[in-house]
Amino acid sequence: QKEVEQDPGPLSVPEGAIVSLNCTYSNSAFQYFMWYRQYSRKGPELLMYTYSSGNKEDGRFTAQVDKSSKYISLFIRDSQPSDSATYLCAMSAVQGGKLIFGQGTELSVKP
Amino acid sequence: EAQVTQNPRYLITVTGKKLTVTCSQNMNHEYMSWYRQDPGLGLRQIYYSMNVEVTDKGDVPEGYKVSRKEKRNFPLILESPSPNQTSLYFCASSLSSGADTQYFGPGTRLTVL
Repeated sequence: QKEVEQDPGPLSVPEGAIVSLNCTYSNSAFQYFMWYRQYSRKGPELLMYTYSSGNKEDGRFTAQVDKSSKYISLFIRDSQPSDSATYLCAMSAVQGGKLIFGQGTELSVKP
Repeated sequence: EAQVTQNPRYLITVTGKKLTVTCSQNMNHEYMSWYRQDPGLGLRQIYYSMNVEVTDKGDVPEGYKVSRKEKRNFPLILESPSPNQTSLYFCASSLSSGADTQYFGPGTRLTVL
C-alpha cells in the first residue's frame, strides 16, 4: 500500500465549477501537508501549505486537513481554464524531512 | 532572477555510462532536493540536503549519489545508469526546510538505453 493515495483522474469540469481534489494517507506521523500545481512540461509550484489539522484559504483555493481520517483536500472555487494542470499533494512527518508525494490528479477546466 | 537551473535538460545515454546532472540555485537556499517523476508513480524524492555537507536519503535513493560541497550546487550522480532510471528528474530548493516554498527546476528528461 502506498503511503499517499491520490486519484490520478483525469478530472474535467466546466469553467466556474467548484473542484475538489483529495488525498488519503496511511502514516499517522505526517504533520506537514502541501499542495503543488504542475503545468505541462514545468516543475511543480507550491500552492498551499498546512501544518497539522485545519483549514487554510488563499483566494480561490482552500486546503483542508483531517488528521483523524487521514484525509486532505484542496478546493478550487470559480475554476478557470488557467487552473488546468496536475495537482499533487505532498506530506512529511518532520519539517525538512523526507517528502512523500501523491501521484497527482490531472485537472482540465473547459471554457 | 531567482531560479533553479538544471543541466542538461535532455539526455540520452547507454547503460553503465556514468553521468552527472547538475543543479544550481541562486537564492542562497539551505535545503535542496532531487526527485524523479514517473507516470502512475508521481514525484518520488531521491535525496535531500538540509545544508552544506549534510545529505540524506529520500524514498528511492538506490543507484544515485549526491554531494553538497557548496550551498548553491547539488549534483545528482548516476554511477552506472540502468534503463529503470529512465525518468524525468527535478531539482528543488527552499529557504530552510521542505515545508517552505520549494522552487523547482525545469526538469531533466533522462533516457537510458
